[in-house]
Amino acid sequence: EAGVAQSPRYKIIEKRQSVAFWCNPISGHATLYWYQQILGQGPKLLIQFQNNGVVDDSQLPKDRFSAERLKGVDSTLKIQPAKLEDSAVYLCASSFGGYGTEAFFGQGTRLTVV
Amino acid sequence: AQTVTQSQPEMSVQEAETVTLSCTYDTSENNYYLFWYKQPPSRQMILVIRQEAYKQQNATENRFSVNFQKAAKSFSLKISDSQLGDTAMYFCAHYSGGSNYKLTFGKGTLLTVNP
Repeated sequence: EAGVAQSPRYKIIEKRQSVAFWCNPISGHATLYWYQQILGQGPKLLIQFQNNGVVDDSQLPKDRFSAERLKGVDSTLKIQPAKLEDSAVYLCASSFGGYGTEAFFGQGTRLTVV
Repeated sequence: AQTVTQSQPEMSVQEAETVTLSCTYDTSENNYYLFWYKQPPSRQMILVIRQEAYKQQNATENRFSVNFQKAAKSFSLKISDSQLGDTAMYFCAHYSGGSNYKLTFGKGTLLTVNP
């Protein structure tokens, strides 16, 4: 079974530029999560989708971050414009969405803003 | 809102010995899941063990077991016969039993297994 795919693996941009990350979840998984993991810290939930609807985006900085989930499958996370403090690993995870089901994680995208 | 606290930023253990990682959490829910995830240096997070709050029996997966104390809101992970491959960041996570199935992580504990 294919796992959660993310691209790119690494990205370096200058502040005020824009960047987009892509995630392809495991087939059939209804729930998709985007997490931000700053070095040395635990993952912080940015946004959670159930199919193509947003369940929780309370910690998403909506003035610069946006996310969508196309047809309830793939998802993109965009940052525009980027700030230095956005440097982090962005993790995508998916699960079947039923209560207590395991979330499977991708390899993540390491973003460096200079 | 749920919070998860891991008070040990780093720990180390000798190979073949036993180590316990601590986790406390705060929730107003009565039904939920708790997880321990492992994140090796390659970065991909994998599930180690899970515990449903309604189950009193502590979960066990091979060398990994938990001590779940619901009243104290404590959920520690015990690793027996530690192996070099156990070196990783370990994250405790709370899985909400509400309608949104929110997964909240602690800050993690870096475990180093020494030969």
